[in-house]
Amino acid sequence: DQQVKQNSPSLSVQEGRISILNCDYTNSMFDYFLWYKKYPAEGPTFLISISSIKDKNEDGRFTVFLNKSAKHLSLHIVPSQPGDSAVYFCAAKYQGAQKLVFGQGTRLTINP
Amino acid sequence: DTAVSQTPKYLVTQMGNDKSIKCEQNLGHDTMYWYKQDSKKFLKIMFSYNNKELIINETVPNRFSPKSPDKAHLNLHINSLELGDSAVYFCASSQDGVGHGYTFGSGTRLTVV
Repeated sequence: DQQVKQNSPSLSVQEGRISILNCDYTNSMFDYFLWYKKYPAEGPTFLISISSIKDKNEDGRFTVFLNKSAKHLSLHIVPSQPGDSAVYFCAAKYQGAQKLVFGQGTRLTINP
Repeated sequence: DTAVSQTPKYLVTQMGNDKSIKCEQNLGHDTMYWYKQDSKKFLKIMFSYNNKELIINETVPNRFSPKSPDKAHLNLHINSLELGDSAVYFCASSQDGVGHGYTFGSGTRLTVV
């Protein structure tokens, strides 16, 4: 019973183009969503988040979009750079909860 | 100066052994967590402590026992290790819930043979 799913295990994008990573969730009680980035042999690091009261949050090259009716969020990276090659995890929480629920990650590879 | 440090980074052990993984954070965070990344790559919460008190205990075999001697430390002890315990275990900490997300350690890869 996975409440957060990232259905693309991998994604390959050319340097300079846009990377779009997708995430779907099933629990309508989720009110806060986060993206994490993970390099090999390191722990995930926080990248960007969005509250359910918004539909978009932007931070430099990174933008997260939230579509509550579709229970879908996406992370856009533009322009993509080689250093963006990593595994990206989507995570969610519901109000009052102490824990994050994670998806299984998408491996992004940026090709020169 | 590592914010969340876990030791050891790698652990290979035989079935039936007892082992511990240690975690320390120097961020002054109130809450610490143990997550397990399973073979399907999902990160699943196991335990959470807030100021040394257990606040989350997911459906985890009681062979797994967390210990928090103070709010900067959260150790994980595993008794009678089984092959299925092989995974990467991540420690994390957060302040005031998860509003700004967790800070993770670099993980401990446990292999049971």
